[in-house]
Amino acid sequence: DTAVSQTPKYLVTQMGNDKSIKCEQNLGHDTMYWYKQDSKKFLKIMFSYNNKELIINETVPNRFSPKSPDKAHLNLHINSLELGDSAVYFCASSQGGGGVHNSPLHFGNGTRLTVT
Amino acid sequence: GDSVTQMEGPVTLSEEAFLTINCTYTATGYPSLFWYVQYPGEGLQLLLKATKADDKGSNKGFEATYRKETTSFHLEKGSVQVSDSAVYFCEGQGFSFIFGKGTRLLVKP
Repeated sequence: DTAVSQTPKYLVTQMGNDKSIKCEQNLGHDTMYWYKQDSKKFLKIMFSYNNKELIINETVPNRFSPKSPDKAHLNLHINSLELGDSAVYFCASSQGGGGVHNSPLHFGNGTRLTVT
Repeated sequence: GDSVTQMEGPVTLSEEAFLTINCTYTATGYPSLFWYVQYPGEGLQLLLKATKADDKGSNKGFEATYRKETTSFHLEKGSVQVSDSAVYFCEGQGFSFIFGKGTRLLVKP
C-alpha cells in the first residue's frame, strides 16, 4: 500500500496544452505539498495545503493551480504548458502544518513532465 | 533568509570507504534537520532526522549530529556499499522548508 501516490508517472505533451497531475496520500497527514525538481536535481517548493487550505504559495506562474478536494488529495493543474515546465513534479505530505514545521516529508515517486 | 548548503558532488568512493557529506544551515532560530535519499526514478525517502541541538539521527549505518555551534548536520557512514549510490538531500524546517541542492554519491565496487 503506497503512502503517497501520484499519477501519471510520465506525461509527454505539447506546448500550449493543459494537463493535470493527481496526488493522494493514505497516511492521514494534514499537510500536502507540490515540489518541482529540475534537471540538476534542485528541489523547489511550489505549494502547500493544510486541511485543504493554501498555506504556501511560492513564486510560481499563475498557470499552475493546485486544488485540494479533501485533505487526502492535492492535484496540480497546469495551463498553457511551456518548454520550461519540463521537470519532475513531486507530491509530498507531512503531519502537522502551519507555524513551525518539524515533521519529515513523505514523497510520491514523481511525475516526469516533458513539454515538446 | 534561511538557507541550507550542501557540498557539491558528485562524490565518488570505493566500496567500504568512509563517507562524509557536509551540510550547514543558516536560519532564524534552530530548525529541525533532515537527511533524505533519492534513488533513480523514485521520490525522496527520509534517512534520518534531528530536531534539536546535540541530537544524533541514525539509520542504516548513516549518522548525523545536530551541531548548534557550527550550524552543521553532516552525514556520515563508516563503510559505504554500492547500493548506497543515490542523491542525498539535507533539509531544514523551521518557518519554511529549505532543501540543499543535493549531493550525488557514486560507490564503485
